[in-house]
Amino acid sequence: QSVLTQPPSASGTPGQGVTISCSGSSSNIGNNYVYWYQQLPGTAPKLLISRNSQRPSGVPDRFSGSKSGTSASLAISGLRSEDEADYYCAAWADSLSGSSYVFGTGTRVTVL
Amino acid sequence: QVQLQESGPGLVKPSETLSLTCTVSGGSISGYYWSWIRQSPGKGLEWIGHIYYSGTTKSNPPLKSRVTLSVDMSKNQFSLKLRSVTAADTAVYYCARDAGDEGKDFWGQGTLVTVSS
Repeated sequence: QSVLTQPPSASGTPGQGVTISCSGSSSNIGNNYVYWYQQLPGTAPKLLISRNSQRPSGVPDRFSGSKSGTSASLAISGLRSEDEADYYCAAWADSLSGSSYVFGTGTRVTVL
Repeated sequence: QVQLQESGPGLVKPSETLSLTCTVSGGSISGYYWSWIRQSPGKGLEWIGHIYYSGTTKSNPPLKSRVTLSVDMSKNQFSLKLRSVTAADTAVYYCARDAGDEGKDFWGQGTLVTVSS
């Protein structure tokens, strides 16, 4: 069971904006960077956002990330059909048994 | 462009050891961490662990007792062994380059491993 909680689904029409939330705690998001990954159907995940809000080379500026306290968000503006995918947040999590990299529960974005 | 390719048996019997290798091309293993992540059918992503090119490892606590990670710099490969597998270990296994604070920036295409007798 993931310690990072995301809504199971989000949707919008082409051109609209969609925002996905990722809720954690002080032991993960609160004290570590947040990452976002996009997984198109049948493919491997792709890094979309690093260090809370940085876009790797090649990622369109329609995608933006932010973090506040123990929560983070991924915003997609100008939604396109090719954005239909699963989106996962991730962060390092500290616990008594050691640190581990945790992924969120995932959000399926549907373009209506 | 860095490319990663997983290889290994697609079927493993219960209680046996799952063994996978990831071959890195287009770049060196040096200077990076290298991760294994898995995804059970229809489910989310689970980090298994990572290995630094020098051999230092870290594993996800729930899996730590069953996981062995290794690296072969001469072949530009790193490997995963998961012991005493059960049906719950059936998943697509991905290898990925871990660029530290920059995130997991290159991924293999994934390989499905089914645990069944």
